[in-house]
Amino acid sequence: EIVLTQSPDFQSVTPKEKVTITCRASQSIGSSLHWYQQKPDQSPKLLIKYASQSFSGVPSRFSGSGSGTDFTLTINSLEAEDAATYYCHQSSSLPHTFGQGTKLEIK
Amino acid sequence: QVQLQESGPGLVKPSETLSLTCTVSGGSISSYYWNWIRQPPGKGLEWIGYIYYSRSTSYNPSLKSRVSISVDTSKNQFSLKLNSVTAADTAVYYCATTGNSSARWFDPWGQGTLVTVSS
Repeated sequence: EIVLTQSPDFQSVTPKEKVTITCRASQSIGSSLHWYQQKPDQSPKLLIKYASQSFSGVPSRFSGSGSGTDFTLTINSLEAEDAATYYCHQSSSLPHTFGQGTKLEIK
Repeated sequence: QVQLQESGPGLVKPSETLSLTCTVSGGSISSYYWNWIRQPPGKGLEWIGYIYYSRSTSYNPSLKSRVSISVDTSKNQFSLKLNSVTAADTAVYYCATTGNSSARWFDPWGQGTLVTVSS
């Protein structure tokens, strides 16, 4: 099974700040890496597919990069509504696996 | 646009079988890969398995001995059964699709349903 490790686990940030979340895979997964946002009591929502492709309707401040084993989710000019937990997910091989999550708190 | 809705008992006794159904609207279940994912309270996401309309299934090895996913095309529903449950199976259970490939992202998701395992 492919293990995904996110960092940091938690980050407290101020509005308009730039945030970077990383996801490292235990083996190469090409670009089969996707990012989700989950707010309390909601289901996860897709932000980025295939490492860098923005999903329909997602604000342009969200972007992704990387390939192989190292990936990054960047949020430019953070807004209060971005307070959530963010997860990476790999679909390169079964079983599908997720990172442990990164919780963003807005100061 | 496809929408998913989970349903089933919110409380299951230890050692019994957890049974949930996901109703698909806005599209036919006779295509696409249909998945179950769970999330224990305050914890991360775990993929349980999928079913493809041809009755092909794949399960997470960590649950494979206890899980079964089936489809009812007449009702546009797919179902999850997890037997011999323990408190560790307490979680929000989501259904989701990866579209016409098993190797894609999950979208859309259902709203999730909390299942508590307790006597």
